[in-house]
Amino acid sequence: AQSVAQPEDQVNVAEGNPLTVKCTYSVSGNPYLFWYVQYPNRGLQFLLKYITGDNLVKGSYGFEAEFNKSQTSFHLKKPSALVSDSALYFCAVGVRGNTGFQKLVFGTGTRLLVSP
Amino acid sequence: KAGVTQTPRYLIKTRGQQVTLSCSPISGHRSVSWYQQTPGQGLQFLFEYFSETQRNKGNFPGRFSGRQFSNSRSEMNVSTLELGDSALYLCASSAAGGTTDTQYFGPGTRLTVL
Repeated sequence: AQSVAQPEDQVNVAEGNPLTVKCTYSVSGNPYLFWYVQYPNRGLQFLLKYITGDNLVKGSYGFEAEFNKSQTSFHLKKPSALVSDSALYFCAVGVRGNTGFQKLVFGTGTRLLVSP
Repeated sequence: KAGVTQTPRYLIKTRGQQVTLSCSPISGHRSVSWYQQTPGQGLQFLFEYFSETQRNKGNFPGRFSGRQFSNSRSEMNVSTLELGDSALYLCASSAAGGTTDTQYFGPGTRLTVL
């Protein structure tokens, strides 16, 4: 079955330091990978996606993610964290449902806490 | 462009009742998907509609149903509510629901079943 794993429930980082939120995937065929962020009492906001091509994907709000096929990973990164980046982050993989169209399978989420 | 809108934002129901949630996709988007988010189960796919047809369905009981209208607006219905149906219900839209399409999410409807 297609799946993604987020091994850390929470990541703590000081403001101004680089951050990494980890994601590994298990898919058959080409992986279509997404990162979303959720703020309290809000829906999910799209950050970035990997479909094909460059292994380093740049997204919204200064975030980027590195696709690594040999390690089956798609880690989210930011060079300098902001307190306002504190939120819940979800990694997801787009899979073909039983009729061939997309559904997203999500990881369990990682809470990012950026301290001042 | 306006984002995905969902109504109502909050809902309180009692066991046994039924509920209907509404979702308006981004203009021009024809695919609408629904997800349930709970602390215990995380984010789970419910179903996806395109051109008024359900194309994908997740592993939920038949009490969960949905439909899509000709203007791509979608509704989901939960009948005979159970306590475990308390959740945040998220709607997402994409251009065509292709495997590489980006899904854009609405703010969700928070359903509480008492």
